[in-house]
Amino acid sequence: GESVGLHLPTLSVQEGDNSIINCAYSNSASDYFIWYKQESGKGPQFIIDIRSNMDKRQGQRVTVLLNKTVKHLSLQIAATQPGDSAVYFCAEIPNQAGTALIFGKGTTLSVSS
Amino acid sequence: GAVVSQHPSWVICKSGTSVKIECRSLDFQATTMFWYRQFPKQSLMLMATSNEGSKATYEQGVEKDKFLINHASLTLSTLTVTSAHPEDSSFYICSARDRAGLGTEAFFGQGTRLTVV
Repeated sequence: GESVGLHLPTLSVQEGDNSIINCAYSNSASDYFIWYKQESGKGPQFIIDIRSNMDKRQGQRVTVLLNKTVKHLSLQIAATQPGDSAVYFCAEIPNQAGTALIFGKGTTLSVSS
Repeated sequence: GAVVSQHPSWVICKSGTSVKIECRSLDFQATTMFWYRQFPKQSLMLMATSNEGSKATYEQGVEKDKFLINHASLTLSTLTVTSAHPEDSSFYICSARDRAGLGTEAFFGQGTRLTVV
């Protein structure tokens, strides 16, 4: 079936570096995408979202890029901090009311100081 | 932002007993709530979609008689794990989207860690 997947299961960076986490999706009917951060033992926490009519959106220290041609999402974290260490999931939502998010496999980001 | 409250945050139960998990949307109405299960080092897997006032829709492979879902109001959905067994031990997470539906983010509860001994 169609699903969202991530390229790398783990990413290790030094504090202060920029991090890039990638995600590929396959459902061309999806028009809304969200990045979530999940810390151990907690539920997912919203980071940033983007709609399919955009190719870039910036937040505080985070940027999401959407390439619809190759169905690719990325999350860029600037000046990564130890508190950014967590599992990051991308999720897609098909353009249909009442539908659930479809989650990718997750990338574990480890930030060392 | 919108808040989804999930209770309890953790529970330990004996094999064969039932456990109820509550999910409440605190400041918005959720026509639809979603229940996910997450095993260690894995992603969130959708179990069922809970619709207010009607029967839940279960994903393939999820036993509806084992995982009872009730969505009696626009702010409360419950998941009851009946006759729990050790293999049901997992992290259960609920999610809700605002009644507006389309193009809105989902809000998540803090999750419930179920351990069946």
